[in-house]
Amino acid sequence: AQKVTQAQTEISVVEKEDVTLDCVYETRDTTYYLFWYKQPPSGELVFLIRRNSFDEQNEISGRYSWNFQKSTSSFNFTITASQVVDSAVYFCALSDLGTSYDKVIFGPGTSLSVIP
Amino acid sequence: EPEVTQTPSHQVTQMGQEVILRCVPISNHLYFYWYRQILGQKVEFLVSFYNNEISEKSEIFDDQFSVERPDGSNFTLKIRSTKLEDSAMYFCASSPVRSDGYTFGSGTRLTVV
Repeated sequence: AQKVTQAQTEISVVEKEDVTLDCVYETRDTTYYLFWYKQPPSGELVFLIRRNSFDEQNEISGRYSWNFQKSTSSFNFTITASQVVDSAVYFCALSDLGTSYDKVIFGPGTSLSVIP
Repeated sequence: EPEVTQTPSHQVTQMGQEVILRCVPISNHLYFYWYRQILGQKVEFLVSFYNNEISEKSEIFDDQFSVERPDGSNFTLKIRSTKLEDSAMYFCASSPVRSDGYTFGSGTRLTVV
């Protein structure tokens, strides 16, 4: 069965620190997709990235970077030089062939607080 | 940037009443979804919709729920007889292709009293 684990429930960092949010997933399929979403205090869900299982290249987008490691079933998210605006709940998510890719399974989320 | 629009942003309803949550997906998207998030909990899949029919639904999506795309632009979620436990944030989403990154709407907070 598919599962997404985000072991860090809450993280607090001081502004300008780097922070890594962990994500571990479970799936029996060889083809799957991984996602990260941000939910700021205003409540909306903001898409950050999609990665397919055949692409293990790490991705960098500005201060954000993602490290995908199939060997450990992890898809970790790092924010460099964090800012107060990064304070949000971050969700890691998975869809796979078992769900016909129609359903995205969300992890429980990590609440990040960036303190000025 | 194209948006998914949801109305209303907040709805309060009495237990047992019917509610309809409305969504306008991005115009060239083909796949539509409803998710919900009970306060402080994870985001849960309800239903996916493609080619004018439900393609997948979760255990949560029982006979009290229905979805419809009544015209070329709207996508609605109806809860026939609301229960207290239906109180949640309901998110509509759309995507151009299956398994692409969804664009979510800003959500409708449903409060059942």
